[in-house]
Amino acid sequence: DTGVSQDPRHKITKRGQNVTFRCDPISEHNRLYWYRQTLGQGPEFLTYFQNEAQLEKSRLLSDRFSAERPKGSFSTLEIQRTEQGDSAMYLCASSLSGAGNHNSPLHFGNGTRLTVT
Amino acid sequence: DQQVKQNSPSLSVQEGRISILNCDYTNSMFDYFLWYKKYPAEGPTFLISISSIKDKNEDGRFTVFLNKSAKHLSLHIVPSQPGDSAVYFCAAPGPLQGGSEKLVFGKGTKLTVNP
Repeated sequence: DTGVSQDPRHKITKRGQNVTFRCDPISEHNRLYWYRQTLGQGPEFLTYFQNEAQLEKSRLLSDRFSAERPKGSFSTLEIQRTEQGDSAMYLCASSLSGAGNHNSPLHFGNGTRLTVT
Repeated sequence: DQQVKQNSPSLSVQEGRISILNCDYTNSMFDYFLWYKKYPAEGPTFLISISSIKDKNEDGRFTVFLNKSAKHLSLHIVPSQPGDSAVYFCAAPGPLQGGSEKLVFGKGTKLTVNP
């Protein structure tokens, strides 16, 4: 179990630029989640994949955001035309059996901290 | 609408004493609760959970108590150690009857354990 890996750890970009983050989940986990955390808040759900299918999206995920998990393994989160309000920690998590399964809590990566200047 | 609330942003205790972190929820359909711990520059890590059919779950120094009638849970850490200093998040899934896979998190409580 090598844990959930996220890349890059930090990203500084100028407003209006596009950014892409990558997440590699724990290998046997078929469920993958993206969360966003801002200062003083808990993580907020963005979207969820089961294998390659994106099954749920939060209304926080505006049309500038897109997430993919093309082969059911790693995932990417792209933000187009970044805004200063997008500055946050973007967290990826994976799970074997889902958020409600008592034996399979979500395992989080260390996140990508995005700063939009 | 904050369905999971942690009303104390911070808590400071002495090493060796008990730490009690509180969490309230509003949605009576939640049937499972988790606590996560987060160190700076790291992602949250799972700490302990409790099902709504129980009122207590214990794991070493960590015990979570659930009071369903009050919609309240608490995390007790005894004895507290300096390495416990972190932000603690209370979370609940779903509610899954609505088909949601998301975890709903509170805002967190920053615990500082002083040597």
